[in-house]
Amino acid sequence: NAGVTQTPKFRVLKTGQSMTLLCAQDMNHEYMYWYRQDPGMGLRLIHYSVGEGTTAKGEVPDGYNVSRLKKQNFLLGLESAAPSQTSVYFCASSVGQNYGYTFGSGTRLTVV
Amino acid sequence: KQEVTQIPAALSVPEGENLVLNCSFTDSAIYNLQWFRQDPGKGLTSLLLIQSSQREQTSGRLNASLDKSSGRSTLYIAASQPGDSATYLCALGSSGNTPLVFGKGTRLSVIA
Repeated sequence: NAGVTQTPKFRVLKTGQSMTLLCAQDMNHEYMYWYRQDPGMGLRLIHYSVGEGTTAKGEVPDGYNVSRLKKQNFLLGLESAAPSQTSVYFCASSVGQNYGYTFGSGTRLTVV
Repeated sequence: KQEVTQIPAALSVPEGENLVLNCSFTDSAIYNLQWFRQDPGKGLTSLLLIQSSQREQTSGRLNASLDKSSGRSTLYIAASQPGDSATYLCALGSSGNTPLVFGKGTRLSVIA
């Protein structure tokens, strides 16, 4: 079982460029999440989805957009990358809020 | 707003020692609490999930307790091993469909 797969694993962007991070899960989970992890800041929620076709803002949504067109995929987009978006991005999924989260291995993004 | 604090930020112990990691939270109206392990450069692995109606959960050498009235959870690791070296994070789920809020973690080093 693949679980939660994030692509790409590493990426370097120039300021102003755009990109999309893909999260795919094969566990038929309803809930999916995007977090960023920064030194000294811990994990902070960017956006999340409680089902196909739904999205909601988290703690730090500015500069990001998301889409959940298919249940198994949750896309995170950066329209105009900024150095402040240099971070490690983690995707997670869960059956529901009362259940454990399964995390992907992360995407390390550097914006120069 | 739920705030989660983990103290200490880092801990170093000799192999074989029993140890306790602490997690405190400000809002006792929680749905569940989860403990995760994160190895350097890796994603998060779920260790234990405690529902709000439970007092503790055990898995092997790990035991997690929950005291909602005092706003505290502890993760007890028995007979620590060098392979236990990692960062341990606690995360709280509040009622409703709100995603987990994470502490910043405790970085554990077990010295052989």
